[in-house]
Amino acid sequence: EDQVTQSPEALRLQEGESSSLNCSYTVSGLRGLFWYRQDPGKGPEFLFTLYSAGEEKEKERLKATLTKKESFLHITAPKPEDSATYLCAVQAEGGSYIPTFGRGTSLIVHP
Amino acid sequence: GAGVSQSPRYKVTKRGQDVALRCDPISGHVSLYWYRQALGQGPEFLTYFNYEAQQDKSGLPNDRFSAERPEGSISTLTIQRTEQRDSAMYRCASSSEPNTEAFFGQGTRLTVV
Repeated sequence: EDQVTQSPEALRLQEGESSSLNCSYTVSGLRGLFWYRQDPGKGPEFLFTLYSAGEEKEKERLKATLTKKESFLHITAPKPEDSATYLCAVQAEGGSYIPTFGRGTSLIVHP
Repeated sequence: GAGVSQSPRYKVTKRGQDVALRCDPISGHVSLYWYRQALGQGPEFLTYFNYEAQQDKSGLPNDRFSAERPEGSISTLTIQRTEQRDSAMYRCASSSEPNTEAFFGQGTRLTVV
């Protein structure tokens, strides 16, 4: 069974304090890994797709990286507006296209 | 449309009533997913369509839940004889192709009283 584990569950940072969120996955073969941002009361908002180990994607203060077992979402010099829950989802090879989500990391950035 | 649209945004129903939740995906998107999300949790898969064909319904909790997408566009998730445990946020997402990223709607908050 495909599994996605995100850590930490919650993270508090001071503005400007860089950190990383982790997404560990267990799948028979990875088709793709997705990162989403979710604000309270809103639907998940797509950020990145990663397909193969070694791949990196960047957007403003966010950079996502991928290895064969995990992905990291690096947040450089975060601002209060980066506060949100960050969700990771994996899509496995072998027929099923269903993205399986982790429970998310709740990030709060204090000014 | 510009994004995935779900209606109603909020639904309060009495236990035992049937409810129908609607999802209007991004125009031209092939795949459509239904998820349920509890507070503080990630989305939990319910069912999935490519065009009008239901590809997987393994996540539907029981036979009171059903979904359809008759013309390969708008989808309806129906819950019959609702129970309090059905109260949740129901989310719909669509993707242009089966193996690409999914885009989510705002969700329908269902409350069964």
